[in-house]
Amino acid sequence: GNSVTQMEGPVTLSEEAFLTINCTYTATGYPSLFWYVQYPGEGLQLLLKATKADDKGSNKGFEATYRKETTSFHLEKGSVQVSDSAVYFCALSPPGNTPLVFGKGTRLSVIA
Amino acid sequence: DTGVSQNPRHKITKRGQNVTFRCDPISEHNRLYWYRQTLGQGPEFLTYFQNEAQLEKSRLLSDRFSAERPKGSFSTLEIQRTEQGDSAMYLCASSVDYHTQYFGPGTRLTVL
Repeated sequence: GNSVTQMEGPVTLSEEAFLTINCTYTATGYPSLFWYVQYPGEGLQLLLKATKADDKGSNKGFEATYRKETTSFHLEKGSVQVSDSAVYFCALSPPGNTPLVFGKGTRLSVIA
Repeated sequence: DTGVSQNPRHKITKRGQNVTFRCDPISEHNRLYWYRQTLGQGPEFLTYFQNEAQLEKSRLLSDRFSAERPKGSFSTLEIQRTEQGDSAMYLCASSVDYHTQYFGPGTRLTVL
């Protein structure tokens, strides 16, 4: 079946530190991959996406590259800010089927 | 474009009561999805519509749950005879065909 595995949190970093949140997936065929972010008290917001192998999604300084050979889509940011504190969800959309399959989420706390 | 809206934002009910939630998708989005998110977990797919047709239902959607999208615009999710295990955040998302899903702020249900 289709599934997403994310590194468990919480992750606590100092401001300006480098961020990596690991995400691996299992899917039949070639899914589309997404990172969504959920700020406290708010709904899910799309952060970035990639629809085919070797695509790099990027937004607000965050990046993730679709790696078919390692079935991974790790989220990175070079210098985090306090305002990046949120829960980050990795998700996939199987080919020909639109309901998203989410990981459990990783809570990030950035301290000044 | 005002985004996906959901009402109410919070609902507290007693076990055994019926509740109904409403979702208004982004205008002209033909697909509408319902997900459920429990504490510490990622969203789980419940059901989705293309226009007014309900195309898929998850096994999570027991007989007590029913969803409608009568005119292909807004949707309602009803839970009959609520149980404490129904306490969760109910999320709605919309999209144009297979493209990116945009989420609403969610309805938080608490069953006492």
